[in-house]
Amino acid sequence: AQTIHQWPVAEIKAVGSPLSLGCTIKGKSSPNLYWYWQATGGTLQQLFYSITVGQVESVVQLNLSASRPKDDQFILSTEKLLLSHSGFYLCAWSLGTGQLYFGEGSKLTVL
Amino acid sequence: SQWGEENLQALSIQEGEDVTMNCSYKTYTTVVHWYRQDSGRGPALIILIRSNEREKRSGRLRATLDTSSQSSSLSITAAQCEDTAVYFCATDWGGGSNYKLTFGKGTLLTVTP
Repeated sequence: AQTIHQWPVAEIKAVGSPLSLGCTIKGKSSPNLYWYWQATGGTLQQLFYSITVGQVESVVQLNLSASRPKDDQFILSTEKLLLSHSGFYLCAWSLGTGQLYFGEGSKLTVL
Repeated sequence: SQWGEENLQALSIQEGEDVTMNCSYKTYTTVVHWYRQDSGRGPALIILIRSNEREKRSGRLRATLDTSSQSSSLSITAAQCEDTAVYFCATDWGGGSNYKLTFGKGTLLTVTP
C-alpha cells in the first residue's frame, strides 16, 4: 500500500530563521509530487510540482524553494522565514491525471 | 458557490437534510475534483468527474458537471454529522494533467444533530 509521510507535524519558528519540511512517499514508483500551502480557513495554493527526480517547477513565488533529491522524497525549504509563511503545508502525489493523495500536513507558525 | 475572490463559504444544515455545494471555474477544464478536508488533516478525494461526464454518483454523493456554464455541483443526500468538513472543488485549467491543479475557496459544511 502507498503511504505518504510528512515531517515535522508542527513547527514554531522565528522570523528570519531557516525552514525545511519533508515528504516521503512509499509504495509508488516515479509519482508526480506537489507542495501546497493553506492559510488558516483558506484554500490550497499550489507551490511546486515535480515530475521526476531533480526537476522541480515553481507555480508561485513565495520566497520558498523545493527539491526532489530522490524519487520518493520532496523537500520544501527557505533560508529566511517571513510571517506570511505561517500556515499548513501539504505534500501530495499523483500518477498522471487523476486524484491527488495528500499527506497529513505540517503546521508552521512563524513568530 | 466557490471560486474567485470569495472567502470560505459556510453552510449549516441538520442531519437528514440534503445539501448542494456549487463550484464555478473560469477556464476550460478536463476534470473537476471534489475533496473533503477534516479539521487539521489533509484533503481526500471524494469524487472526480471528467468533462465527458454530466453526472457521477458515489453512495450519498452526486456530482454534476456543466461544461457550457463552467460549473460543477456536489450534492449530499441525507447528510450525517460525520459529513461535517470543508469541501473543495479543483480543476486542471484544461491542461489535462494534475501538474497545476487549482482549488476553489471551499465550503465549510456543518451538519448538526
